[in-house]
Amino acid sequence: DVRLVESGGGFLRPGGSLRLSCAASGFTFKNAWMSWVRQAPGAGLEWVARIKSKIDGGTTDYGAPVNGRFTISRDDSKNTLYLQMNSLTTEDTAVYYCTQGRYYFEYWGRGTLVTVSS
Amino acid sequence: QSVLTQPPSVSGAPGQRVTISCTGSSSNIGAGFDVHWYQQLPGTAPKLLIDSNSDRPSGVPDRFSGSKSGTSASLAITGLRAEDEADYYCQSYDNSLSGYVIFGGGTKVTVL
Repeated sequence: DVRLVESGGGFLRPGGSLRLSCAASGFTFKNAWMSWVRQAPGAGLEWVARIKSKIDGGTTDYGAPVNGRFTISRDDSKNTLYLQMNSLTTEDTAVYYCTQGRYYFEYWGRGTLVTVSS
Repeated sequence: QSVLTQPPSVSGAPGQRVTISCTGSSSNIGAGFDVHWYQQLPGTAPKLLIDSNSDRPSGVPDRFSGSKSGTSASLAITGLRAEDEADYYCQSYDNSLSGYVIFGGGTKVTVL
């Protein structure tokens, strides 16, 4: 079975940094396109970032609100996806989901909560 | 404000049919990008419900169906059940954002 398990969420002050991790299993991780999708409290879904498989170029894309502040990366040897988040603001408060899929998100983790507050 | 527009809520009695619209534009749905749908039950992660406009992943009941026409797409739920009460999101891509992923604002389905 496919499993995506996020970790690294927590509470921090505006301006801080945090790195999220997503441990993947049950599929060939190195061939997968992976994304982070977030959901602010009481709000809808917002795509954050995507990284293609290395065989497809390994390129990254970001949503406008996080471009320049967040960095998505992957370690295929560890079957792990990362999201480095810098210069966090209160608007980044959300549950962050790790997802797998090329054009749609077939599998989702349970999410990890990031709370940014002064 | 989401690039894809969904009604905030729809409701229906058990056994009825409800539809959820997802309205886009010529830079996303109208440009030929597929539409996908997700169901999010209370307190859980979203789950893929319909992919590529009308395909049901394994395990999704055939009470759920999707369609796409022009700059819009729709999700229909027939034989509405209490367990269908959830939030539903459409998702596609947008040309104007260099092919970035976009979501609708979500629709809350209430079973009366």
